[in-house]
Amino acid sequence: GDSVTQMEGPVTLSEEAFLTINCTYTATGYPSLFWYVQYPGEGLQLLLKATKADDKGSNKGFEATYRKETTSFHLEKGSVQVSDSAVYFCALSDRGGNKLTFGTGTQLKVEL
Amino acid sequence: EAQVTQNPRYLITVTGKKLTVTCSQNMNHEYMSWYRQDPGLGLRQIYYSMNVEVTDKGDVPEGYKVSRKEKRNFPLILESPSPNQTSLYFCASSLGSTNRLFFGEGSRLTVL
Repeated sequence: GDSVTQMEGPVTLSEEAFLTINCTYTATGYPSLFWYVQYPGEGLQLLLKATKADDKGSNKGFEATYRKETTSFHLEKGSVQVSDSAVYFCALSDRGGNKLTFGTGTQLKVEL
Repeated sequence: EAQVTQNPRYLITVTGKKLTVTCSQNMNHEYMSWYRQDPGLGLRQIYYSMNVEVTDKGDVPEGYKVSRKEKRNFPLILESPSPNQTSLYFCASSLGSTNRLFFGEGSRLTVL
């Protein structure tokens, strides 16, 4: 079945550092790919998405590119802020759009 | 304000005592889903519903029931809760499919 593998956390960075959170997936066909973010005490919210190969999703300075050849969707940000501290989830949607499969989440801590 | 509302937010109960976690959305979304979040396992789908009177099992449906009698509501029912159902539960909704899920704030359930 479909699966998503994320790097384990926590990831601790200093403010203004470069961020990469790795995500790879296994799926049949051509899934849509997502990054969701969960701030402390809140539900998840969509950060960005890409629906086909080579698409780049971007939002709030975060970017991720759908790489079909490496089955990856790594999240990047050039300069993180303390307010980016959260748990980040990579996810994929099956072809029918009925089910979203999540990775285990990566906690990011940004310090001054 | 567009939102997904879950109740209760926190609940401690005992084994075998039936409980219902309510979920309501005000965005006229067709798709609704329940997830549980456990450390190291990420989010796993329990049940989903594509529309009124249409429900289907997710990855971990055992011990849970759902109903979708109205478009806005999607309650999660634990007929006889057990300690392994201690978890953080999220309800989510979207327009049509999993293209963009809106999450509730979560319901933390403890079964003693």
